[in-house]
Amino acid sequence: DTGVSQNPRHKITKRGQNVTFRCDPISEHNRLYWYRQTLGQGPEFLTYFQNEAQLEKSRLLSDRFSAERPKGSFSTLEIQRTEQGDSAMYLCASSLDGGLTPQHFGDGTRLSIL
Amino acid sequence: KNEVEQSPQNLTAQEGEFITINCSYSVGISALHWLQQHPGGGIVSLFMLSSGKKKHGRLIATINIQEKHSSLHITASHPRDSAVYICAVRSETSGSRLTFGEGTQLTVNP
Repeated sequence: DTGVSQNPRHKITKRGQNVTFRCDPISEHNRLYWYRQTLGQGPEFLTYFQNEAQLEKSRLLSDRFSAERPKGSFSTLEIQRTEQGDSAMYLCASSLDGGLTPQHFGDGTRLSIL
Repeated sequence: KNEVEQSPQNLTAQEGEFITINCSYSVGISALHWLQQHPGGGIVSLFMLSSGKKKHGRLIATINIQEKHSSLHITASHPRDSAVYICAVRSETSGSRLTFGEGTQLTVNP
């Protein structure tokens, strides 16, 4: 299966801990997106990359959040000093550049803060 | 007011019924997506539209750019269609980011 892969699928941690999620996009896709989805809501945009460049960040992405895509392939999303409000599903998607192409989503990482 | 509004929020149908989910948006868009999300989180892209109508199997998606409105229809609904259906738009000014509606929870009973 060469779809978008996210790890871990679930993460439970105590408030104040740091967490890191990984996303492996479809190999030929040069755009990679991170979204956050809270229970009962639609996803919200966090940030996106074109190759290794982070082109846009949402106001939702506070200074405790950082995302990287160092070699233009996989990406990591780190949350420092987690808070209760960070509990959500973190979704990654990828797409081909160069026009109106669909985004392909991973299964998400569900974060629960105790 | 959200940029993307869906209705209804929840929909229960009997197997075999024709289903319509509506999406209205308030910004100029370059594309509109219909997505399906099953319990557990995985999201599948159903359609990407910029005009007119698309059909795939029992699913039909239409868009009216002038009225800023799209509909997703499911013919001969089946319990396996039970899922959350999400409308998302790519605005003309937002680059690649998608703005999502809150989703419609569809339950099809046998």
